Amino acid sequence: DGGITQSPKYLFRKEGQNVTLSCEQNLNHDAMYWYRQDPGQGLRLIYYSQIVNDFQKGDIAEGYSVSREKKESFPLTVTSAQKNPTAFYLCASSRAEGNQPQHFGDGTRLSIL
Amino acid sequence: AQSVTQPDIHITVSEGASLELRCNYSYGATPYLFWYVQSPGQGLQLLLKYFSGDTLVQGIKGFEAEFKRSQSSFNLRKPSVHWSDAAEYFCAVGAPERGKSTFGDGTTLTVKP
Repeated sequence: DGGITQSPKYLFRKEGQNVTLSCEQNLNHDAMYWYRQDPGQGLRLIYYSQIVNDFQKGDIAEGYSVSREKKESFPLTVTSAQKNPTAFYLCASSRAEGNQPQHFGDGTRLSIL
Repeated sequence: AQSVTQPDIHITVSEGASLELRCNYSYGATPYLFWYVQSPGQGLQLLLKYFSGDTLVQGIKGFEAEFKRSQSSFNLRKPSVHWSDAAEYFCAVGAPERGKSTFGDGTTLTVKP
């Protein structure tokens, strides 16, 4: 079955360290998204990409970076500049119709050591 | 700017009872509207979506939602709730400007036996 795979499920970051969250999809979707979810809140858009080698900042891009070298992959790097990285990170994808997130991965929970 | 309000943080219903989760949005034109469900520690699953046309939308798992332009609402309904419906539900509004979705803060549904 097609879907989105996020890894790892749990990740710990030390002070001053960059960490990369993996997101792979085999749905042949053009668009991919990264969201951050904090307790009791909805999802906030970090970055999104509608096509390979192109991506746009979302509402809370500061302290994060992404790349889109392949259609099926959209890794997110949480840099040391992100001072409050503890959250649940969700990757999503969609077909061209509406270009809004329609399939989600199971998330990565990032914590500070 | 678009926004979404889910007025009810937490709702409790008895198994077999009907359910209505409220969603109000703010957007200048006709938006794309979505409902998602999230089980603890997992990603979101798309229940249904509205892009245009018939204002009563059928989704998966027996859910439906009605778009009411005059009330800026997109409430989610289910005639008979099952214990497995207990989860968190998110309403989202998407602008035709691709990739820009705004999520509500969610409603947690508890189902009593």
